[in-house]
Amino acid sequence: DIQMTQSPSSLSASVGDRVTITCRASQSISSYLNWYQQKPGKAPKLLIYAASNLQSGVPSRFSGSGSGTDFTLTVNSLQPEDFATYYCQQSYSTPLFTFGPGTTVDIK
Amino acid sequence: QVQLVESGGGVVQPGRSLRLSCAASGFTFSSYAMHWVRQAPGKGLEWVAVISYDGSNKYYADSVRGRFTISRDTSKNTLYLQMNSLRAEDTAVYFCAREDGEYGYNWFDPWGQGTQVTVSS
Repeated sequence: DIQMTQSPSSLSASVGDRVTITCRASQSISSYLNWYQQKPGKAPKLLIYAASNLQSGVPSRFSGSGSGTDFTLTVNSLQPEDFATYYCQQSYSTPLFTFGPGTTVDIK
Repeated sequence: QVQLVESGGGVVQPGRSLRLSCAASGFTFSSYAMHWVRQAPGKGLEWVAVISYDGSNKYYADSVRGRFTISRDTSKNTLYLQMNSLRAEDTAVYFCAREDGEYGYNWFDPWGQGTQVTVSS
């Protein structure tokens, strides 16, 4: 089974900061990596698919990069509404998907 | 618009059963694989089960295999999760999600709002 890890598990940042979250797969997954944002009490929302493709309607301050085993989600100029938990998900082993443990972004 | 609405959650005693439903609208339900994902209190997302677009293939997480059954009714545009022999550790919010994709890449979009399942005596 493919295992996913994320770092850090949580972080605090100020409005306007650039934030980077890392996701690592236990084996190469090419670009089969998605990112989701989840706010408290809400369903997850797709941000990035196939490692670097921005989902329609998602602000351009969000971006994704990476391939193989190492991936990053970057939020440029953090906004108050970006307070949330972010999850990566591998889709290499479709139909079996695996999520990372999540990274909580707290606004200072 | 594309929408998924879960129902059927509640409080149930250990060892009992519960069936969750996920009503789909705004898209051709019979063309998409569908998933269940759960989230225990204060925890991350755990993939639970998937059913192929035509219902011919089903896969489960090790934690629920043999106890949970995923199914779909195309005539009702509804996805189901039959949960038997429930345990305290099954307590979670259960989300349904549509598997979308292109060029061989797949992702979950949209998601339902979730339904709470609490297993407690």
